[in-house]
Amino acid sequence: GQQVMQIPQYQHVQEGEDFTTYCNSSTTLSNIQWYKQRPGGHPVFLIQLVKSGEVKKQKRLTFQFGEAKKNSSLHITATQTTDVGTYFCAGVPTSYDKVIFGPGTSLSVIP
Amino acid sequence: EPEVTQTPSHQVTQMGQEVILRCVPISNHLYFYWYRQILGQKVEFLVSFYNNEISEKSEIFDDQFSVERPDGSNFTLKIRSTKLEDSAMYFCASYNNEQFFGPGTRLTVL
Repeated sequence: GQQVMQIPQYQHVQEGEDFTTYCNSSTTLSNIQWYKQRPGGHPVFLIQLVKSGEVKKQKRLTFQFGEAKKNSSLHITATQTTDVGTYFCAGVPTSYDKVIFGPGTSLSVIP
Repeated sequence: EPEVTQTPSHQVTQMGQEVILRCVPISNHLYFYWYRQILGQKVEFLVSFYNNEISEKSEIFDDQFSVERPDGSNFTLKIRSTKLEDSAMYFCASYNNEQFFGPGTRLTVL
């Protein structure tokens, strides 16, 4: 079946360092979504990427969608302690009928 | 800001019992979803609902599960004959350009 993989599973960084998580789908996607989940919280929508090769920025966060629409990345510049949480990518294969989440990357930031 | 609400926040039940988890999605949204998340694991898609009917369901969503939108606002997930492995957080979400998750219901099956 369709799968979405994500690496790394865990990442520990010193505050101020950069962080990147990578997402890869087994099939071509219609679009990809990114979420952040704090411990004990619910997933919070960050962004949706639709176009091949699309790059979007939100302050220190940069999101990229691959040319083949099968992979994506999230890069955080100069991490802060408020960035702590698990970052999930979620692939939408065709219409919005199904959303397949990756396993997430858990980010720890050491002050 | 509009939000998705879910009740109860925590449900404890005995194995074999039926539970109904309730959600009030954002009213003008078109797609509604149920997900579950076993502690420490990823979010798993269960079912999507569009135009008052199921549009897609995962292999997890077997005959034990059902969804309803009994009126214009509520969206329910029923789990019949609960099993120990049904213990998880259950999230409702609705979508309209972005997907909003509710706070979740923690289901504990004893």
